[in-house]
Amino acid sequence: GEDVEQSLFLSVREGDSSVINCTYTDSSSTYLYWYKQEPGAGLQLLTYIFSNMDMKQDQRLTVLLNKKDKHLSLRIADTQTGDSAIYFCAENRNDYKLSFGAGTTVTVRA
Amino acid sequence: NAGVTQTPKFQVLKTGQSMTLQCAQDMNHNSMYWYRQDPGMGLRLIYYSASEGTTDKGEVPNGYNVSRLNKREFSLRLESAAPSQTSVYFCASTSFNYGYTFGSGTRLTVV
Repeated sequence: GEDVEQSLFLSVREGDSSVINCTYTDSSSTYLYWYKQEPGAGLQLLTYIFSNMDMKQDQRLTVLLNKKDKHLSLRIADTQTGDSAIYFCAENRNDYKLSFGAGTTVTVRA
Repeated sequence: NAGVTQTPKFQVLKTGQSMTLQCAQDMNHNSMYWYRQDPGMGLRLIYYSASEGTTDKGEVPNGYNVSRLNKREFSLRLESAAPSQTSVYFCASTSFNYGYTFGSGTRLTVV
């Protein structure tokens, strides 16, 4: 199985907040990332957080990192239909290789 | 402003055929990667090249070979395709810890 774990599906009502959770196993990971993949497309870097940070905010996106529990979350405020996609959590283990979770499919309903 | 370009975008192969997936980046990145994406399994690293002139195996290298032709180009070869290699293949590149840039993918079907 993956070293990075995510729930597979999330359904959210338009205008609500979405929270996608991720757990990782390597405490030496220096950077953690969130990627977005729209249907038929490649992965797009949404945001990243350095391991010495607890939180990072970027417009509608908030990333929270709990190093003690090795837990990473992505909150999307005011979720829109354009936010429907697969979201991947990834960790960098100091060797320029990223390990990805299986991805969380977010469906935004009207 | 092309970023990472992969060719072809789609391919159907018969079992036993060979093919090469091409990848080129114009960002002067040092490191390049090949991943495969299968439903429910995320992305798995096939091979990577930390810098020009070096290549290393990733998590799932069996059945594949790579060539780092120059700093820009990193190709993935399937010598004898098998149905288990049906997947979406992504090339990526990076120079720093600020994330990878991905290509749009090659959708390969082996029948």
